[in-house]
Formats: sequence, structure tokens, C-alpha cells
Amino acid sequence: DQQVKQNSPSLSVQEGRISILNCDYTNSMFDYFLWYKKYPAEGPTFLISISSIKDKNEDGRFTVFLNKSAKHLSLHIVPSQPGDSAVYFCAASALSIHGAGNMLTFGGGTRLMVKP
Amino acid sequence: NAGVTQTPKFQVLKTGQSMTLQCAQDMNHNSMYWYRQDPGMGLRLIYYSASEGTTDKGEVPNGYNVSRLNKREFSLRLESAAPSQTSVYFCASSERGNNYGYTFGSGTRLTVV
Repeated sequence: DQQVKQNSPSLSVQEGRISILNCDYTNSMFDYFLWYKKYPAEGPTFLISISSIKDKNEDGRFTVFLNKSAKHLSLHIVPSQPGDSAVYFCAASALSIHGAGNMLTFGGGTRLMVKP
Repeated sequence: NAGVTQTPKFQVLKTGQSMTLQCAQDMNHNSMYWYRQDPGMGLRLIYYSASEGTTDKGEVPNGYNVSRLNKREFSLRLESAAPSQTSVYFCASSERGNNYGYTFGSGTRLTVV
């Protein structure tokens, strides 16, 4: 059973509008969450992260929100740009127990398409 | 500034053939990982190496073996390839406690016919 789920395989938004990508997790041991962005024929690249002691982290146009009680996080991109079109992966880590390996558990990904 | 380098980028194998996917990192990271990416399944961990000299199974290790040759290199071997192993394979590395997660290679697209 997938411990990290991204229930929307794809999302299409207009340039300049907000993109909201969602992610749910089941393992209450997860204490660190990350978003990765992946372009075709490239490896995923780190985008933004959040620790479980916070509920929001912002970096320029990207904001990640964490709702621990709901085991839910979301990535907001404002304003969306055509260059943001990519696959976005949510990932979670249990640093407290995986400190030796920093293992990440990934969701299935959401393909974002930003239309000009 | 290469980061994580994977070879080859593409490979076609016949069922039953063997091959080794190579991965090297130049960031002096302790931990290295092999993931496979399949549509709708995200990235699933095959094997990882927390530090030089250690390897452990991940979520989907069956049909694979790994070798942590030294701190830089972590190879993935398919002894007898099966069509179910058709996938895109990513190698990654990280430093323990690094809040930026992994650095990924650009992937190897493997097709088993």
C-alpha cells in the first residue's frame, strides 16, 4: 500500500493563475517532506521542503503547506509560468528512524501543464 | 560539476540477458540509492547504501543486485532481465541529515523485450 499518494495524475492551469498540487501520506512517523520537479529526460530536482514542526514554508513563487492532523500537504505555485510545466513528486522521510539512510518515499507524481 | 552520473542513458535487452547500470557521484556523499520510475507508481526504492561498505534492500529488490564499489560508485545489476524490469532507473546520492534530500542522475531508460 502506497504510503505517499498524489491522487491527481495531471493538472492544467492558465499562465498567471495559481497551481495547487496535493499529497497525502499515511505513515505518522514521517517528519520531513519534500517536493521534487522533473522535466522529461532529466532526473528529479529538489524544489522545496518542510519539517513537521512547521505548517508552512515559502520560497519565492513556491509555498508548501503541511496539515499534520489530516496527513496532507500541498504545493502552491503563484503565479504559474509555462516553464513550471513538469511532473511534481511529493516525498516523505522519517529522519528520526532513517537517519542512517535518509530514505525517501515518493508519491506517484502529478503532471502540471501551464498554458500560455 | 557533474553531480551524479549514470551510464548508459538507454539500453535494450533481451529477456534473460544481464547488464550492470553504473552510477558515480562526485559530491563526497555517504549515501547512495537506486530507484525505478514506472507510470503512476512514482519512484520506488530498489536498493540503497547508507555508507561505503553497506547495502540494504528497498521496496522492490527482487531481480536486482548492487555493489558499492567505493564511496563514489554504486552499481545496479540485473542478472536475468525480465520484461517487468522495463523502466527508467535513477541513481541518487545524499549526505546524512541533508535537508535538501537527494541529488539525482539523469536516468537510464531500460527496455527488456
